[in-house]
Amino acid sequence: AQSVSQHNHHVILSEAASLELGCNYSYGGTVNLFWYVQYPGQHLQLLLKYFSGDPLVKGIKGFEAEFIKSKFSFNLRKPSVQWSDTAEYFCAVNRKTSGSRLTFGEGTQLTVNP
Amino acid sequence: NAGVTQTPKFQVLKTGQSMTLQCAQDMNHEYMSWYRQDPGMGLRLIHYSVGAGITDQGEVPNGYNVSRSTTEDFPLRLLSAAPSQTSVYFCASSPGTGMRVLNGYTFGSGTRLTVV
Repeated sequence: AQSVSQHNHHVILSEAASLELGCNYSYGGTVNLFWYVQYPGQHLQLLLKYFSGDPLVKGIKGFEAEFIKSKFSFNLRKPSVQWSDTAEYFCAVNRKTSGSRLTFGEGTQLTVNP
Repeated sequence: NAGVTQTPKFQVLKTGQSMTLQCAQDMNHEYMSWYRQDPGMGLRLIHYSVGAGITDQGEVPNGYNVSRSTTEDFPLRLLSAAPSQTSVYFCASSPGTGMRVLNGYTFGSGTRLTVV
């Protein structure tokens, strides 16, 4: 079973629509959480991360994510997407018992139509 | 330019051939790792290293070998390529240990490997 699960594998939106991408993990204990983005033909880049503190974290390019511990979730949001947000988005989890290793979700391909 | 350099960018192999995917970083990062990316499966960790001379297995190590003789280089070897190893391979590096690693992952641009 996938330990990090992203609900939607392909999302298609029009520009200015709101975005929410789901991410759930199945680990108990303390975790660190990440969202990465991969633009076409490029390497992964960090969007945002959560280690502790305020469960609502803000990242680059207007993205934010909310950690809901009771739901084991870390959903990514953006109020208004742009064509340039077309990319693949990966949720990643670090279990504090696993050192520095990251476990990635399956990825969600976001297509934003102009 | 500073960063993680992977070569080659593309490679086609025949079943049974061997090859080495190269990964080099010039940021003096201690932590280096190899992932494979397959559709619908995200990135899966193959091997990782916390410093020169130290390597360990990830989730999917079978069919791959690594070594870390220097801080800069972390090559991934396929000893006898199989079609199941067709994938996109990413190398990543990060400074230090613990939280510094998590804060500083830098990914290479990937190697697209096809095994026929």
